[in-house]
Order: sequence, then structure tokens, then C-alpha cells
Amino acid sequence: SQQGEEDPQALSIQEGENATMNCSYKTSINNLQWYRQNSGRGLVHLILIRSNEREKHSGRLRVTLDTSKKSSSLLITASRAADTASYFCATALRHSGYSTLTFGKGTMLLVSP
Amino acid sequence: EAQVTQNPRYLITVTGKKLTVTCSQNMNHEYMSWYRQDPGLGLRQIYYSMNVEVTDKGDVPEGYKVSRKEKRNFPLILESPSPNQTSLYFCASSLSGARTEAFFGQGTRLTVV
Repeated sequence: SQQGEEDPQALSIQEGENATMNCSYKTSINNLQWYRQNSGRGLVHLILIRSNEREKHSGRLRVTLDTSKKSSSLLITASRAADTASYFCATALRHSGYSTLTFGKGTMLLVSP
Repeated sequence: EAQVTQNPRYLITVTGKKLTVTCSQNMNHEYMSWYRQDPGLGLRQIYYSMNVEVTDKGDVPEGYKVSRKEKRNFPLILESPSPNQTSLYFCASSLSGARTEAFFGQGTRLTVV
């Protein structure tokens, strides 16, 4: 079953601009994770934010989590062409005993030189 | 190097011919899982395993089998493949289920004709 839903489905920007992607979910979570996927390849973990955290940084990535709104955002600053990929949020649900990561359908990001 | 290795990367087979996709991880992770990725549907979990000899169904287990006889390996078995199982398959492992980051294999693109 789908839990996280990313928005927008696709995003096209110029190099140097910031990219913001959002994720909404429905039920209580233990943590929320963001992954990147280059075309047809395996997913790569970017960042994990726990339910008691509000913001986390990793290099050019900034993730926020608002548990009251059941939403998260991923900000990529100063985008590069190499950031072109699909980005997925994944949630660890309490009711699953944290046994399952449930993925959204992803945001496709295109960064043009 | 820490990694999850899937084989084969590409496979074309005929309806009804049993096949196995292998998955191996070298990180001593207890948790392993299989996903399939289809356009417009995102990643959906097929089966997961919390530890050796412990497996459970994910969201789309029909037509698949798994086994976990040893910690490092988690093969996905299609006893009688059908065209609707044409998909991109990913194996993943993590230290502690959905509480920690997941490491993904490179993917197996399966076509059933």
C-alpha cells in the first residue's frame, strides 16, 4: 500500500537553482527516509530523519519533518546536472512494527546545465 | 566494500519457466527484502526477512517465493513466471528493518514473454 506521496511528480530547473520536493504520509511513523535513483539503477540512501527530529542537513541536502502535518520536504541547494534523478521518500510505519519501508512514487528531477 | 549484489542484471524468460534471482549482502545485516518497481506504481514490497528462517509477505507476494537459509543470501523464486511479473526487481538489506537505512542492489530487469 502506498504511504508516502511525493509532490511534484516532476520538476525541471536550471543548474544553480534550489530544488524542493515534498512528501506527505498518512499514519504515525518511526522515521522518514529519502532515496535517490538514477535511471534504472538501484536506490541510494540520502538521509534519515526520525519522528522526534524536525530538521536534518547533509551537504547540500536539507530535510524537514512536520509530524503534525504528516509531511516532509527535501531541499537540494545549488543543484547540479548530476542531481538529475528520481527522488523517493519512504516511511517506517509504527503499525508494521517497523518491519517495512513504504515508498512513494517519486519525484523526477531534471537539472539542466 | 559494503554492497548488495543481485544476479542476473537482465533476464528474458518464457512463461512458466521457473527462475531464481539471487541476492547477497556482505554487511551482516539481519533484514533483507525484495521490491518490484513498475512505471506509475513506484516500489512495492514483495517479501521481507527479519532474520534467518524468518520471512513474511509484503504488499505483492503472489507468484513469488523466498527463502532465508543463511544470513547473507535471500533468493527470489518465481515458480511459474507470467508476463505480469515483467518488472524491475530490487533486493535491499538493512541493519535493523525499517529503523535504519536500506542498501539496495543494482536491480534485475526481468522480462517474461
